[in-house]
Amino acid sequence: EVQLVESGGGWIQPGGSLRLSCAASGFTVSSNYMSWVRQAPGNGLEWVSVIYSSGRTYYADSVKGRFTLSRDTSKNTLYLQMNSLRAEDTAVYYCARDQTLTDYWYFDLWGLGTLVTVSS
Amino acid sequence: DIQMTQSPSTLSASVGDRVTITCRASQTISTWVAWYQQKPGKAPKLLIYDASSLESGVPSRFSGSRFGTEFTLTISSLQPDDFATYYCQQYSSYSTFGQGTKVEIK
Repeated sequence: EVQLVESGGGWIQPGGSLRLSCAASGFTVSSNYMSWVRQAPGNGLEWVSVIYSSGRTYYADSVKGRFTLSRDTSKNTLYLQMNSLRAEDTAVYYCARDQTLTDYWYFDLWGLGTLVTVSS
Repeated sequence: DIQMTQSPSTLSASVGDRVTITCRASQTISTWVAWYQQKPGKAPKLLIYDASSLESGVPSRFSGSRFGTEFTLTISSLQPDDFATYYCQQYSSYSTFGQGTKVEIK
């Protein structure tokens, strides 16, 4: 079955770090463009970061310098390392697949999400 | 950054109604727009991509169109399963989403 399963969310104090994982099955992560998209409670969607099949990464200005996106091809898993966390990073984090392999990304497959709560 | 202004924020409708949701881009973005449906506690589901292409498996009552920088999602005859929140997304430059439109029962 083709699916994405996120994990690693939880409660963390401001300034702390957390690493999210996104395990893929039914397709190869490294052959697609993969993104993280977040949704603050009761709010809309915000794109966070993308990793191309080449390994190139891009970040939203709101997380640049604090978040790092990577992947492990042997585990077919995507990671989002989040440092210097702020209250405004509180959200459900989804990983999502883009199959266009171009600079124009839309997302045909989403995980169920993992909740990150940043609070003292 | 490209902004997507989505309207209305809430829409009350009845089963069988024709429903239209609009997104206006802050600059020209060609046809690089997608539409998603999201139900409470669930991940978004892709409905339309490239402004008017229907994703496989999505009912034909959903359609998308473009006029300049204005993009429209239309549901031709609202069904009970369609009560949800809908988001537009531009992917001309990175990616940004509209604020969402909640379609609720009238």
